[in-house]
Amino acid sequence: EVQLVQSGTEVKKPGESLKISCEGSGDSFTTSWIGWVRQKPGKGLEWMGIIYFGDSDTRYNPSFQGQVTISADRSISTAYLQWSSLKTSDTAIYYCATGDSGTYWWGDKWGQGTLVIVSS
Amino acid sequence: DIVMAQSPDSLPVSLGERATISCRSSQSVLHSSSDKNYLAWYQQKPGQPPKLLIYWASTRASGVPDRFSGRGSGTDFTLTISTLQAEDVALYYCQQYFTTPITFGGGTKVEIK
Repeated sequence: EVQLVQSGTEVKKPGESLKISCEGSGDSFTTSWIGWVRQKPGKGLEWMGIIYFGDSDTRYNPSFQGQVTISADRSISTAYLQWSSLKTSDTAIYYCATGDSGTYWWGDKWGQGTLVIVSS
Repeated sequence: DIVMAQSPDSLPVSLGERATISCRSSQSVLHSSSDKNYLAWYQQKPGQPPKLLIYWASTRASGVPDRFSGRGSGTDFTLTISTLQAEDVALYYCQQYFTTPITFGGGTKVEIK
């Protein structure tokens, strides 16, 4: 069974860069599509984008395109979400989740979430 | 983008009673060639990640109790908890995967009356 473990809480200042991770285990992980979902404090879920481990095919939500970069390192079964210049509005919990398809994606298994706090 | 509208925002239900959550999409999520509705439901408890309950609008995910059921087609969907248990207190979200960007409903909070 696929399991996802995300990196820990980050506290950053506006303008700083950040890369958070999502490490997977399980037989089917490296043939999965890994999605990233944002949840601002007390708010709902927002889909940011997905990446396929097989060939790093990446698809972004236009609302997040250019604001974040999604990447993956198949050799260590890890997906990443990174920012080059954080804003206070990036404060949120970020979840990774697996899906079987890039054409029809739902979050089958989820990581525990990474809390990112951006504050001056 | 497909807008997903859930109702109600909050749903107080007595233990053992039925809870029904509605989800409406701004355009059909029924794929004509597959005759499948591209809709999922999730449960999220405080401090936890979402948990998949239902996909293809009515297929329960592995390990999900059969008191949870999903139905509907096209633009109108429901998630029903047939007999509410204390552990079902949570936020519930619908999600369409018919087209990108994938979008979620705003959530429905199920609580004990």
